[in-house]
Amino acid sequence: DTGVSQDPRHKITKRGQNVTFRCDPISEHNRLYWYRQTLGQGPEFLTYFQNEAQLEKSRLLSDRFSAERPKGSFSTLEIQRTEQGDSAMYLCASSLALGGYEQYFGPGTRLTVT
Amino acid sequence: DQQVKQNSPSLSVQEGRISILNCDYTNSMFDYFLWYKKYPAEGPTFLISISSIKDKNEDGRFTVFLNKSAKHLSLHIVPSQPGDSAVYFCAASEYGNKLVFGAGTILRVKS
Repeated sequence: DTGVSQDPRHKITKRGQNVTFRCDPISEHNRLYWYRQTLGQGPEFLTYFQNEAQLEKSRLLSDRFSAERPKGSFSTLEIQRTEQGDSAMYLCASSLALGGYEQYFGPGTRLTVT
Repeated sequence: DQQVKQNSPSLSVQEGRISILNCDYTNSMFDYFLWYKKYPAEGPTFLISISSIKDKNEDGRFTVFLNKSAKHLSLHIVPSQPGDSAVYFCAASEYGNKLVFGAGTILRVKS
């Protein structure tokens, strides 16, 4: 049973560059969530998918952020024109849609924008 | 607007004693509550959960108590072990959708 995986684990980029992160959920889970965590805070919700449909987006998700889950399996989160304030840990989680209150998290992608 | 609050940034406990971590919430629509444990450089690990229709759930050394009238929940770890040292996050959900997290409590178990 493989858990949620994320790639890359670390990303250093220069301000203004675009970055893309990938998340592979637990195989039988049809819901996939993205969260962002900064130092000293709990994870904050960004967006989530049920199968390939994006059902909710947070106000935190500016128009520089876009997420996709093209075939209802893996998901990508892209940040365009990165800013220093985007530096954070980006976490992916998955769950079952029916009765799946528990979300299982991946190891995260640590983004540093210089 | 913090809907989930963990007012103790840190807690230090002697090995073998009880650790009690507290969490308060403001949104009465939350119907499910969860505790996660997080080690540095790892994602949060699910620990234990409780539905709003219950007031207690137990799993081994971990027990979660829910007081709906006070909008308060707590996690009890008995007996505490050095390996329990981590950051603990309280989270709440409304109808099984997104999780709303507290800021976390750092638990240190001293041997």
